[in-house]
Amino acid sequence: EIVLTQSPGTLSLSPGERATLSCRASQNVTNNYLAWYQQKPGQAPRLLIHGASRRATGVPDRFSGSGSGTDFTLTISRLEPEDFAVFYCQQYGSSPLTFGGGTKVDI
Amino acid sequence: EVQLVESGGGAARPGGSLRLSCVASGFKFEDHGMSWVRQVPGKGLEWVAGLNWNGDTTGYADSVKGRVSVYRDNAKNSLYLQLDILIDEDTALYHCARGRGYGLRNGFDIWGQGTMVTVSS
Repeated sequence: EIVLTQSPGTLSLSPGERATLSCRASQNVTNNYLAWYQQKPGQAPRLLIHGASRRATGVPDRFSGSGSGTDFTLTISRLEPEDFAVFYCQQYGSSPLTFGGGTKVDI
Repeated sequence: EVQLVESGGGAARPGGSLRLSCVASGFKFEDHGMSWVRQVPGKGLEWVAGLNWNGDTTGYADSVKGRVSVYRDNAKNSLYLQLDILIDEDTALYHCARGRGYGLRNGFDIWGQGTMVTVSS
């Protein structure tokens, strides 16, 4: 199975700052089938990015995804107060599907 | 409104069984692969099992293989997860999740709020 390693574990930033989150795969992610999710306390995850760089419907353009192969990045250009949450990457290029351990973005 | 509603969770003994259900509404159920994803409170996400639009292709996490079956009834807009030989590590909130496409391998664009499974003696 493909193991996804997210870093850093926690990112402490302020509103208005740029956030850069990393997701590294133990082997190539087929077709760059890599998604990013945001999860707030008490809520289900929300899809932000699929196919490594495609924003999901309704996702603000301050969220962007990049990368290919084994190295992927989620960038939040300017943090809004509602962006503070835990972010997960997921690969769906091969079964079993797997998630990274998460990055918490807090103030 | 596009919605997924899970049920069937609860308390169970080690070695026991549970069947989880997920009812979909607001979209054409048979157009989407579906999965179950679980989360221990305060911890990360773990994909458990999934299937394609008609159920003839399934996949399972190594941690549950042989103990879990996933299936669907498109006529009832429903997804199921049969959990057998329960172990303590199965304790989690189980989410039903809609795949973006027909296949098993998908990102998930709609999630239910989950049903809690607690395994304890």
